Amino acid sequence: ELKVEQNPLFLSMQEGKNYTIYCNYSTTSDRLYWYRQDPGKSLESLFVLLSNGAVKQEGRLMASLDTKARLSTLHITAAVHDLSATYFCAVDGTYSGGGADGLTFGKGTHLIIQP
Amino acid sequence: KAGVTQTPRYLIKTRGQQVTLSCSPISGHRSVSWYQQTPGQGLQFLFEYFSETQRNKGNFPGRFSGRQFSNSRSEMNVSTLELGDSALYLCASSRTVSNTEAFFGQGTRLTVV
Repeated sequence: ELKVEQNPLFLSMQEGKNYTIYCNYSTTSDRLYWYRQDPGKSLESLFVLLSNGAVKQEGRLMASLDTKARLSTLHITAAVHDLSATYFCAVDGTYSGGGADGLTFGKGTHLIIQP
Repeated sequence: KAGVTQTPRYLIKTRGQQVTLSCSPISGHRSVSWYQQTPGQGLQFLFEYFSETQRNKGNFPGRFSGRQFSNSRSEMNVSTLELGDSALYLCASSRTVSNTEAFFGQGTRLTVV
């Protein structure tokens, strides 16, 4: 069974600080996604990581994938209040060999950025 | 370019009733997946449809079913509703089954009383 673990699950930080969210998964897969969800809203696609060593950046967010370590990170640089949201990583179980189908999501990281 | 459209946005149903939710994918996308989101269980995969065929199914009871039409629009049905079915139901649209990115609709908030 494919398992996806995120940590931390809750993060409160001040504007201007840097921090990293970690996403570990249990079986081989080279397709990992990061999503953002605002309260009461749907999921917004942030990054699609398709291969080992993939690194993508958008504004103050940077995501990377290490398939050998089964680890992805979402790094926040100089956080601003607008980045407050819940961030999910998801692994495509169809390609994991673990028998899972669809996207398997982590529990999400609830991020609060205080002025 | 229109996004993924889900209707209705909100529903209140009584235990034992059934409900049908609708999803219109992005134009040109042929794969539709459904997910259930609850505070306790998080986001869980329900099923995926491609070209009117169910391709994958998550670990949900048979009360949960779906279908896809020739125009790629999809519906999911939940019969004999239980209180635990209260959730946000999200539909995701992808170009193909092997596509690299899924785009989510706004969701249908189902409350079972």
